[in-house]
Amino acid sequence: DAGVTQSPTHLIKTRGQQVTLRCSPKSGHDTVSWYQQALGQGPQFIFQYYEEEERQRGNFPDRFSGHQFPNYSSELNVNALLLGDSALYLCASSLSSGVDLSFYSNQPQHFGDGTRLSIL
Amino acid sequence: AQTVTQSQPEMSVQEAETVTLSCTYDTSESDYYLFWYKQPPSRQMILVIRQEAYKQQNATENRFSVNFQKAAKSFSLKISDSQLGDAAMYFCAYNDYYGGATNKLIFGTGTLLAVQP
Repeated sequence: DAGVTQSPTHLIKTRGQQVTLRCSPKSGHDTVSWYQQALGQGPQFIFQYYEEEERQRGNFPDRFSGHQFPNYSSELNVNALLLGDSALYLCASSLSSGVDLSFYSNQPQHFGDGTRLSIL
Repeated sequence: AQTVTQSQPEMSVQEAETVTLSCTYDTSESDYYLFWYKQPPSRQMILVIRQEAYKQQNATENRFSVNFQKAAKSFSLKISDSQLGDAAMYFCAYNDYYGGATNKLIFGTGTLLAVQP
């Protein structure tokens, strides 16, 4: 049973460039969330995708955008890279559909190993 | 807005001993989930234990247990019989339940646990 996979594992970019990070969810999951984890900090929620649409968004500028494909995989795009975008980007998947959408059916998220993005 | 606070940046424990990691949170909601995640140097965030706010009984998972004090908004993690493999960064997290089956997690800043042989 494949877990959450992310690619690439490490990426080096320069300021002003654009980057695309990829995530394949755990088998059977349909929801993908992206988090940014700066060095020495806890992860910060960027956004979540379900049914190919952005369902919720954190406090991140429009330079951060995403996409979800019919096979539930997802991409995170960051434009006009800044030095402050250097971080570990984590993808997490969970299951939303086909279950009772009540509080008592909260599905835990499964995380990938992350992509380390370094901006020079 | 909900917040999660971990006031212990680093902790150390002797192998086979017990250690408690602290976490406090702030929310106006009555229903929510709390989690402890472990992040070893391999970077993958691993779920250790979770607690449903509506349950008064503290969650346990083998050597890991929590002390959930809802009124005090406190959620500590106790690790018994500590092992070298427990060394990692530990994050406390709150599930911001927003109107539907979303799973937005709000994390604390983490506690780095060292296990001494």
